[in-house]
Parts: sequence; C-alpha cells; structure tokens
Amino acid sequence: EAGVVQSPRYKIIEKKQPVAFWCNPISGHNTLYWYLQNLGQGPELLIRYENEEAVDDSQLPKDRFSAERLKGVDSTLKIQPAELGDSAVYLCASSLYRGTGELFFGEGSRLTVL
Amino acid sequence: SQELEQSPQSLIVQEGKNLTINCTSSKTLYGLYWYKQKYGEGLIFLMMLQKGGEEKSHEKITAKLDEKKQQSSLHITASQPSHAGIYLCGAGVINTDKLIFGTGTRLQVFP
Repeated sequence: EAGVVQSPRYKIIEKKQPVAFWCNPISGHNTLYWYLQNLGQGPELLIRYENEEAVDDSQLPKDRFSAERLKGVDSTLKIQPAELGDSAVYLCASSLYRGTGELFFGEGSRLTVL
Repeated sequence: SQELEQSPQSLIVQEGKNLTINCTSSKTLYGLYWYKQKYGEGLIFLMMLQKGGEEKSHEKITAKLDEKKQQSSLHITASQPSHAGIYLCGAGVINTDKLIFGTGTRLQVFP
C-alpha cells in the first residue's frame, strides 16, 4: 500500500514568489492534515480536512496561505507571496478517521525562501 | 492552550545503553502518542496510550502513561544505532480532534 506522497521534496525560491505543495494521502483516508515544522520544533497544524471540507484552519495565515482539497482526495497548499520566515518543512498527513492520533505522514516538502 | 514539553532536548548514548525520554503536558492528557522522525523524513507512529497506568511495548521501546502527573515516558532498552532519530510525543486536545506535538528529543546512538 502506497504511503502519503508529497511533492516537491525540496523547493528554493526568492521571497515574494509563489509556491505550491501537493499531497496525495493514503487511499481511503478521509482526514488530511497540513503541518508546518520549523527547525528543532514539533509540527504545528495549519489545516485539517474531513473529505473536501476544511474543518480546522484556525492556524492557517490566510493572508498568504491557501489550501484546497477539491475532490476530497489530494490536496494543495499554496503560499503567495512567500516570506523569509516561511522557510520550513511542510508535512502532509492522513488518517483513517477523525479524532485518531495515529497519523500517517509524508516525507515533507522543505521550503527555503531566499 | 495545551503544551507538551519534552526532556531532554537531546541525548547521546553509547550503543547498548538504556535511556528514557519524558513528555509532560500542561493540561490533562486525553490520549498520548509517540512518534519517531528520522532527519529529513516524516513522522512514523510508534504507539498510543489512552489510559492512566497503561504501558505498551514495541520491540525494545516501552512507553508508559501517568495521567495524574500528566506525563508519559518512553524507555529504550539496549539502544541500537537504528534507534537514532527524533522522538516526538503528541496529545489530543480535549473537545477537539486536534493533535498537538512536543518539541522533540533528538537521540544519537554511537557504537
């Protein structure tokens, strides 16, 4: 069974440029999460989806960040424009059902903003 | 808001030694989860603890939950280089489906 797939693995951009990350969760997992992980820190939730509905986006900086999961399967996280402080690893995870603490993570997308 | 504090922040041990990592919550724990992360990779679920006093083991890794102390410990027996990585605890936030994480403990095991 394929795990959570993320792309790109690495992205280097200049500040003020846009960037997008893609995530394909494990088949059958209705819950999808985007986490932000800064160096030396634990992951912080940005947004959580139940199917195509964003049920928790309270930590998503909506002035520059957006996310979508149109068909309730794969998801895209976008930053526009990127700032220096956005340099981090963006992790996608999925779970079989809501409320579980057993999440399956992708390998992450490492963003460097110059 | 609830916070999880892990100690120590980093640990360097010789192969074969035992070690313990602690996770302390600022609020009552409703489910405690341990994950491992290798550098540059995603998190891998290790185990889940839900009841006070519960203890689980996976190979040479044992985790315990002390609800009264709002604390969990992860113990590795006879550490191996394969145990190296970052160990993170996660906890469910009451009345939400949210999962928060501690800052992690970086473990290095040298031969």
